[in-house]
Amino acid sequence: DSGVTQTPKHLITATGQRVTLRCSPRSGDLSVYWYQQSLDQGLQFLIQYYNGEERAKGNILERFSAQQFPDLHSELNLSSLELGDSALYFCASSVTSSGSTYNEQFFGPGTRLTVL
Amino acid sequence: DAKTTQPTSMDCAEGRAANLPCNHSTISGNEYVYWYRQIHSQGPQYIIHGLKNNETNEMASLIITEDRKSSTLILPHATLRDTAVYYCIVRVFNDYKLSFGAGTTVTVRA
Repeated sequence: DSGVTQTPKHLITATGQRVTLRCSPRSGDLSVYWYQQSLDQGLQFLIQYYNGEERAKGNILERFSAQQFPDLHSELNLSSLELGDSALYFCASSVTSSGSTYNEQFFGPGTRLTVL
Repeated sequence: DAKTTQPTSMDCAEGRAANLPCNHSTISGNEYVYWYRQIHSQGPQYIIHGLKNNETNEMASLIITEDRKSSTLILPHATLRDTAVYYCIVRVFNDYKLSFGAGTTVTVRA
């Protein structure tokens, strides 16, 4: 158990819909990262928040957005869903924003999104 | 970030050491070598990282060549629970993201 929690575990929805994925980081971790893992793209970094502020963006679509709340939990919002958005979505957390060589990321169990 | 090259797959006998190679010939001086693994669709798990010295922790050992162009992750006594995809990642120390490649699928057989 990494200490990172994600809800829900599974989500099945239809094309065109909007969903929200939730992540609670490990106690004390200020950074939250979102990754997408699909069969054809592998594990890809989406976005990072540090203490409520966006710090880095990866291959995140404009239809996707995220935020980190004052209690440090984070939500990833996916809208206008397409079949290709079906994937595992992982949240990870770490203590520091950057710079530390011990900035390893601890991953949650993931949310499996299926778009029908 | 420097690109890494890993074998697609490898088998290992239970109880034996598993040696996982990684090539990172374009690594630069401020880039670290990280290893993560992912067990069957679970979240990736941090294993170990290093800059230029060999490193060991309770999970594994990391051997980095003197020219830093390649490294080997050693699982000293592989168990069936070590069956997973192992990712070698080269990362600038102040970078945020982890860039995962295809990794090596390791199958430990009884």
